[in-house]
Amino acid sequence: DTAVSQTPKYLVTQMGNDKSIKCEQNLGHDTMYWYKQDSKKFLKIMFSYNNKELIINETVPNRFSPKSPDKAHLNLHINSLELGDSAVYFCASSQRGTGYTFGSGTRLTVV
Amino acid sequence: GENVEQHPSTLSVQEGDSAVIKCTYSDSASNYFPWYKQELGKRPQLIIDIRSNVGEKKDQRIAVTLNKTAKHFSLHITETQPEDSAVYFCAASTDSFGNEKLTFGTGTRLTIIP
Repeated sequence: DTAVSQTPKYLVTQMGNDKSIKCEQNLGHDTMYWYKQDSKKFLKIMFSYNNKELIINETVPNRFSPKSPDKAHLNLHINSLELGDSAVYFCASSQRGTGYTFGSGTRLTVV
Repeated sequence: GENVEQHPSTLSVQEGDSAVIKCTYSDSASNYFPWYKQELGKRPQLIIDIRSNVGEKKDQRIAVTLNKTAKHFSLHITETQPEDSAVYFCAASTDSFGNEKLTFGTGTRLTIIP
């Protein structure tokens, strides 16, 4: 039973399109995150939600909009996709005092 | 904000030898320091972590040391095996409630030579 699951695993799309990535965790954690991993493997936080409330919003273009319908779900919608958005996007969750549990990642390729 | 530097960026070690990866952090308020292992095409996975009230922690062949004064922490892997080959990330955060933002180092690609 997967603890943090993301869909889709792969996403290939054209520039200018709008796409969404979904994330669900069954660990009962209060906090969920989106991280972006670029081609050099650098992991950078984008957003964090605690109990459906946005608590971290790093310097991310407003084309990226997270949505958390409940504390077990955190989705990421991206408008007007650009070539530079190509990366692996990881969802993660944590509870205070624990490390992160990451999802398996979504490899986004914008062509 | 927090800044975490990690060295080296690549490390090759003969099987059976030890590997050491070092990180420094900038925010003296940071009090939680996890290490993640990421195999090719896989998710990062937590392998060990340490909190600021502890100087060293061991788990079988893996150990982490922390020097809060110097703002420095290290990962030590002994008796390395081929399956230890991966990218390793250090990270730091202030373990404040509901805001456990991890700042990651830039990663170390460890290759174990058989």
